[in-house]
Amino acid sequence: DAGVTQSPTHLIKTRGQQVTLRCSPKSGHDTVSWYQQALGQGPQFIFQYYEEEERQRGNFPDRFSGHQFPNYSSELNVNALLLGDSALYLCASSISTGELFFGEGSRLTVL
Amino acid sequence: AQSVTQPDIHITVSEGASLELRCNYSYGATPYLFWYVQSPGQGLQLLLKYFSGDTLVQGIKGFEAEFKRSQSSFNLRKPSVHWSDAAEYFCAAYNFNKFYFGSGTKLNVKP
Repeated sequence: DAGVTQSPTHLIKTRGQQVTLRCSPKSGHDTVSWYQQALGQGPQFIFQYYEEEERQRGNFPDRFSGHQFPNYSSELNVNALLLGDSALYLCASSISTGELFFGEGSRLTVL
Repeated sequence: AQSVTQPDIHITVSEGASLELRCNYSYGATPYLFWYVQSPGQGLQLLLKYFSGDTLVQGIKGFEAEFKRSQSSFNLRKPSVHWSDAAEYFCAAYNFNKFYFGSGTKLNVKP
């Protein structure tokens, strides 16, 4: 049973560019959440998707947007990248209110 | 404001010694509580969780945690630390469809 998979694992962008990160949830999971983990900090909640709709959102600007597809996979999009967006972006899947299962993350570096 | 606090940024213990990592939460009602471990460059792995019932919960890798409502705490313990336990540990609380993570405690293990 594959766990949560994320792609790409590493990427480098320049300021002002846009990035799309992808996540496939663990089999049987219907809820996907995204987190930003800056160096030396704990994960910060970006948003959560359930039934293809954004159910909850953390304190992130509108430059951060997402999508969930009918197969429950998800994308995180970040527009107009800033240096401060450099971080490890973690995707986690769950069943409704259950525990989170995390992917290995996508490390984004903005130059 | 809802928050999770891990007061210890770094802890160093000798291999074979006991370990206790502190976690306090600030919520109106008791949230679901979790401990996760993160090795360098990796995603987060669930160690244990508390939803309700018995306040002492057992997890993987010999870890346990005790929920104390009166102290709003959920401290992680291990009776004998192994070198492979060196990692960063995150306490998390789940409330109203959002996960809140502490800032983490980095554990070093001395030979």
